[in-house]
Amino acid sequence: QLQLQESGPGLVKPSETLSLTCTVSGGSISSSSYYWGWIRQPPGKGLEWIGSIYYSGSTYYNPSLKSRVTISVDTSKNQFSLKLSSVTAADTAVYYCARHISMVRGVIDWFDPWGQGTLVTVSS
Amino acid sequence: SYELTQPPSVSVSPGQTARITCSADALPKQYAYWYQQKPGQAPVLVIYKDSERPSGIPERFSGSSSGTTVTLTISGVQAEDEADYYCQSADSSGTYVFGTGTKVTVL
Repeated sequence: QLQLQESGPGLVKPSETLSLTCTVSGGSISSSSYYWGWIRQPPGKGLEWIGSIYYSGSTYYNPSLKSRVTISVDTSKNQFSLKLSSVTAADTAVYYCARHISMVRGVIDWFDPWGQGTLVTVSS
Repeated sequence: SYELTQPPSVSVSPGQTARITCSADALPKQYAYWYQQKPGQAPVLVIYKDSERPSGIPERFSGSSSGTTVTLTISGVQAEDEADYYCQSADSSGTYVFGTGTKVTVL
């Protein structure tokens, strides 16, 4: 059974860079069938897709965050990572990683399963 | 920007039917997907490609589509179905968008 687990600091200072890692177990991140994505949810609010990556390193980002986001993959560790720069309080959220199933990218895509999520607070 | 609009809340008695709509503000409408999120938990996929049900999801969950509106139907609602539900789709540029979310309350 595929499982994903987020890890990283729970507190980040304003203007600094948020860094999270997602470890995939029970399956290979190098599977040609899947992408791997990051989604976030501010406290009490809805979900926002941040971006996704293919095992080859190809990335797709939400245009609203693209200037500040970098997603990378380490196939040797079965992990992928998120970096979000110049954070503000508006970036406080639960960050989820998820397997991104794409039958036709940008047309037939969904996220399943999800990691449990990790709360990142931006505060000095 | 592309938006998916859901009713903020739906209330239903046990055993009755809950219907949650998700309306896209522009054409074309891509396929829609539905997620259930219980308090303090990660979202779980309950419907994909408008009406397909993943393995392990109860048959009481079903999906349909008409024009630019998709609907998640929960037939014979149970107390355990109380949760937030989000639809998801993609805009014409391939950006994935989630709906505004609907809180389902079982009375």
